[in-house]
Amino acid sequence: DIQMTQSPSSVSASVGDRVTIACRASQGISSWLAWYQQKPGKAPRLLISSASSLQSGVPSRFSGSGSGTDFALTISSLQPEDFATYYCQQTHTFPPTFGQGTNVELK
Amino acid sequence: QITLKESGPTLVKPAQTLTLTCTFSGFSLSTTGVGVGWIRQPPGKALEWLAVIYWDGDDRYNSFLASRLTITKDTSKNQVVLSVANMDPVDTATYFCAHTHYPSGNSFDYWGQGALVTVSS
Repeated sequence: DIQMTQSPSSVSASVGDRVTIACRASQGISSWLAWYQQKPGKAPRLLISSASSLQSGVPSRFSGSGSGTDFALTISSLQPEDFATYYCQQTHTFPPTFGQGTNVELK
Repeated sequence: QITLKESGPTLVKPAQTLTLTCTFSGFSLSTTGVGVGWIRQPPGKALEWLAVIYWDGDDRYNSFLASRLTITKDTSKNQVVLSVANMDPVDTATYFCAHTHYPSGNSFDYWGQGALVTVSS
C-alpha cells in the first residue's frame, strides 16, 4: 500500500496567518491527491481533488499544489472557521490511503 | 442534492458480524462512474479507507481487512451494505459512507454523518 505522511502533525496559528501542510507519498502518485477538512464530531469535507482543483463552495484562501510524491495544502489567511484537522488522501492506487492528519489549532 | 446516511447497530459483541447500511439519495448507483465507499475513524484517530463498490459491481477492499469485509449494493433501494466479520474492540469506530466518482479521481465528495459502532462484551 502507498503510505501517506503528513507534516506537521499539529500546527498552532493565529487568525490571519498563512499555514502550509505537507503531504508526502511513499511512491509517485502523479496528481491523484485529495485534501479534506474535518471538524470535531463531523464528517470530512472535500476541499481539493486532483492535487489543486478547488471544490465548489470552498473559499479561495485554500489552495493545493504538488505532483509526484510531494504535495502541500496552503491556507493563505487563516479564518476562525478553519481551525480543524486536515487529511490528505492518495487516489492513484487501491487502496486509496489517507495521511495521519494535521490538526490546525489556535495559538 | 446528494445525501447519504449510515444505519446499523451501535453496539456489537466481539466475534460478531457488523452489518451497516448506507441509504442514499440524489444519485443512482447505476450511473456510469459512480461509486459508494466506506471509511472508518477510531475515536481520536485518523481516517481509514475500507471498501468501495462501483456502478458496474466492481468492488475493492482494504488490503489488511479484505478477508473480513464484504460490500454489496441494491440499486433499486439506493443502498450499499458493508459487512465486517469477526469484530474486535479495535474495530470500535465511527463508520462513514461516501459518494465517489471514478472519472473525477475517486475522492469522496459527499459523506454521510457517520455511525459510531462500539465493540464490547
